[in-house]
Amino acid sequence: DQQVKQNSPSLSVQEGRISILNCDYTNSMFDYFLWYKKYPAEGPTFLISISSIKDKNEDGRFTVFLNKSAKHLSLHIVPSQPGDSAVYFCAASTNYGGATNKLIFGTGTLLAVQP
Amino acid sequence: ETGVTQSPTHLIKTRGQQVTLRCSSQSGHNTVSWYQQALGQGPQFIFQYYREEENGRGNFPPRFSGLQFPNYSSELNVNALELDDSALYLCASSLWPSSSGANVLTFGAGSRLTVL
Repeated sequence: DQQVKQNSPSLSVQEGRISILNCDYTNSMFDYFLWYKKYPAEGPTFLISISSIKDKNEDGRFTVFLNKSAKHLSLHIVPSQPGDSAVYFCAASTNYGGATNKLIFGTGTLLAVQP
Repeated sequence: ETGVTQSPTHLIKTRGQQVTLRCSSQSGHNTVSWYQQALGQGPQFIFQYYREEENGRGNFPPRFSGLQFPNYSSELNVNALELDDSALYLCASSLWPSSSGANVLTFGAGSRLTVL
């Protein structure tokens, strides 16, 4: 049972254009959603997060939108740069009580930004 | 501040053997989690340690076990290795409680385990 889904394995975008990465989830109890970026031979790096009570969070070139009724979130990167080429993971968390900090990840989307 | 460091970076074992992976948490963090990332998949939660005790576990059998030490470093032990255990094992640390509310984990670069 995959609770977090990224249905696009890959995405190719021209430098300077917008990249839109999508993520769907099934569990309405998730309270935070996070995006991580992963380069080869490195660990995932945190990009941006959004609380389930918000519908938008922006940090520089990165904006995450949350549509709770559709159980859908998206990450927008504007403008896209060649250095953004990486695998992007969507992740969700819920408060299990106490100090348990479990993240549930999607399968990732490989973004290629063409110069 | 130092990040999360893991060792070894790569290792090869044969089926039935045992393996120990090590992790040093980011300075100031008090929880450590381990994730398994199989090829083409996202990281999957194995377990988390807080105050040297396991306080959350994913869908992994008991032959996956761990330790957290007083300096917040950690070990992941896997007994009776199976071919399907071949994966990238990621260690992540975090501070609980989090001031931001979001569960932001800081990951290491991982240990790539190949089981033959």
